[in-house]
Amino acid sequence: DGGITQSPKYLFRKEGQNVTLSCEQNLNHDAMYWYRQDPGQGLRLIYYSQIVNDFQKGDIAEGYSVSREKKESFPLTVTSAQKNPTAFYLCASSPQGTTEAFFGQGTRLTVV
Amino acid sequence: AQSVTQLGSHVSVSEGALVLLRCNYSSSVPPYLFWYVQYPNQGLQLLLKYTSAATLVKGINGFEAEFKKSETSFHLTKPSAHMSDAAEYFCAVHYTGTASKLTFGTGTRLQVTL
Repeated sequence: DGGITQSPKYLFRKEGQNVTLSCEQNLNHDAMYWYRQDPGQGLRLIYYSQIVNDFQKGDIAEGYSVSREKKESFPLTVTSAQKNPTAFYLCASSPQGTTEAFFGQGTRLTVV
Repeated sequence: AQSVTQLGSHVSVSEGALVLLRCNYSSSVPPYLFWYVQYPNQGLQLLLKYTSAATLVKGINGFEAEFKKSETSFHLTKPSAHMSDAAEYFCAVHYTGTASKLTFGTGTRLQVTL
């Protein structure tokens, strides 16, 4: 079945550690996105990529990094520079020429 | 800055009652508009979208939304609420001429009571 797979579903990180969240899609979509969700704040865009080997910062990119080496994959690294990383992270993709986003099931990151 | 506003972070209705969730956008140029639903600890699912065709858009699960340019609104409605409609609902916009990305509202949590 086609879709977007995020892993792991739950992730725990110690303070000062980097951690990478996985996002894979088999929908053949060109664009991919990472959003952060906090209670009462909706979804905020971290990074997005419209084509392989290219990506742009969103509204809250500080403390995060991404890569887009393959069309299917868009991993997000939460670095130690991110001061408040505990949140629900959502990956999405959309076909070329549209902004209708298809979402993965999310990864809940907790700093312990 | 261009934005989207959802009035009411929490809405409670009785089962069988009308559901009305409000969304307003801020642009003189009509954007593309979307409503998404999110169940606990899950991703977002598209309910419906407006892309400059018919102003009354029908979506899944009996929901519909009407685009009103004069009011810069895109409110979501359902004539009769069901317990399974309890979830969080997000309005999102894409403003034409900007990069290909959505801007989301802060969400409205819908509670359905017996």
